[in-house]
Amino acid sequence: EAQVTQNPRYLITVTGKKLTVTCSQNMNHEYMSWYRQDPGLGLRQIYYSMNVEVTDKGDVPEGYKVSRKEKRNFPLILESPSPNQTSLYFCASRAGNQPQHFGDGTRLSIL
Amino acid sequence: AQKITQTQPGMFVQEKEAVTLDCTYDTSDQSYGLFWYKQPSSGEMIFLIYQGSYDEQNATEGRYSLNFQKARKSANLVISASQLGDSAMYFCAMRGLYNTDKLIFGTGTRLQVFP
Repeated sequence: EAQVTQNPRYLITVTGKKLTVTCSQNMNHEYMSWYRQDPGLGLRQIYYSMNVEVTDKGDVPEGYKVSRKEKRNFPLILESPSPNQTSLYFCASRAGNQPQHFGDGTRLSIL
Repeated sequence: AQKITQTQPGMFVQEKEAVTLDCTYDTSDQSYGLFWYKQPSSGEMIFLIYQGSYDEQNATEGRYSLNFQKARKSANLVISASQLGDSAMYFCAMRGLYNTDKLIFGTGTRLQVFP
């Protein structure tokens, strides 16, 4: 089954404790991206990648890192999480001019 | 700068009626794509319909159609024959078509379908 898989789905952690949210797709898509969703703000893009080793900033990259060492994986790293990064996070992938396929989301709470 | 505006925070519609969700956009790109996504209460993002900036015909997918008016920079979603399962958040989004994966979303419209 074609899918984008995010882990974990839910995480409660504390300020400053490094965390990684993994994202994997099995569709051989070139493009992958990360978004955060906050009430009243819609989805905002954090980072995107157009292929292996090619990444670029979205609209809200501060406090996040990404890497694209393999085509199928695009992890989101929070080196020193803070409470303002509490949010619902989505990973997405696509091929060509197709629409993005989204993962099921990761709900992060940072205390 | 690119921007998507959805001016309706919430909409109500009776079952079996049609409803239009508004979306206006701003971009300096000549080639772009417009998308609508549905987010039910379970949280997943479901792709509904796509319109390319050079497409002359309005896009349709089953009960969904996109009323694309390029000169007015609007891309409204029309849902015909609403069903209770259509109750959800709806997001309009835009992306340039070449050498980018930058996708801009609006703030969404919450649609409630009542019997």
